[in-house]
Amino acid sequence: KAGVTQTPRYLIKTRGQQVTLSCSPISGHRSVSWYQQTPGQGLQFLFEYFSETQRNKGNFPGRFSGRQFSNSRSEMNVSTLELGDSALYLCASSLQLSAVNTEAFFGQGTRLTVV
Amino acid sequence: SQQGEEDPQALSIQEGENATMNCSYKTSINNLQWYRQNSGRGLVHLILIRSNEREKHSGRLRVTLDTSKKSSSLLITASRAADTASYFCATGNQAGTALIFGKGTTLSVSS
Repeated sequence: KAGVTQTPRYLIKTRGQQVTLSCSPISGHRSVSWYQQTPGQGLQFLFEYFSETQRNKGNFPGRFSGRQFSNSRSEMNVSTLELGDSALYLCASSLQLSAVNTEAFFGQGTRLTVV
Repeated sequence: SQQGEEDPQALSIQEGENATMNCSYKTSINNLQWYRQNSGRGLVHLILIRSNEREKHSGRLRVTLDTSKKSSSLLITASRAADTASYFCATGNQAGTALIFGKGTTLSVSS
């Protein structure tokens, strides 16, 4: 079966712009989590959605938001981009309510560069 | 904040040697997971070990868990160049609602 698909794979944006990243989970998975990965901070949890509801949010400013649609696809949005938002953004899906207790399947990520 | 912390940060070995990575965590857990990440790509799940398990095997991988010491180790036997990657341990946050990763061990296997 198809894996987790993230689009686009690469993105270059200018400071102050906003960006939307997309994630299509594995068919049948209703839990989607987002992570930001940077060399300095490592993998940081952004938020998790299950059945269109945000269940948990990491310690990120309000510029970072997300949503999940009825088909489980998820989007995350970052507004007023800052240079420090440059990172690899990873999406993961899991079959159960939370990836804490089961295997999480990751997409290849979206590499965002803010200039 | 990080729940798990891996040690060492970097490890370089020759093909055929064994590689051992350690993970320490702070609070009680229901389970602990290990993931691998090849350079700049997504993470791949390796093993999930539950708090009532002490050891688990998968192919050339062996994971141990010591809940009294709040630590886990990942052993890769007979390493290959293809094992070159970063390895992360992950546990749940205190609320059990989010998977939290350590900063990882970067393994380099040379032929």
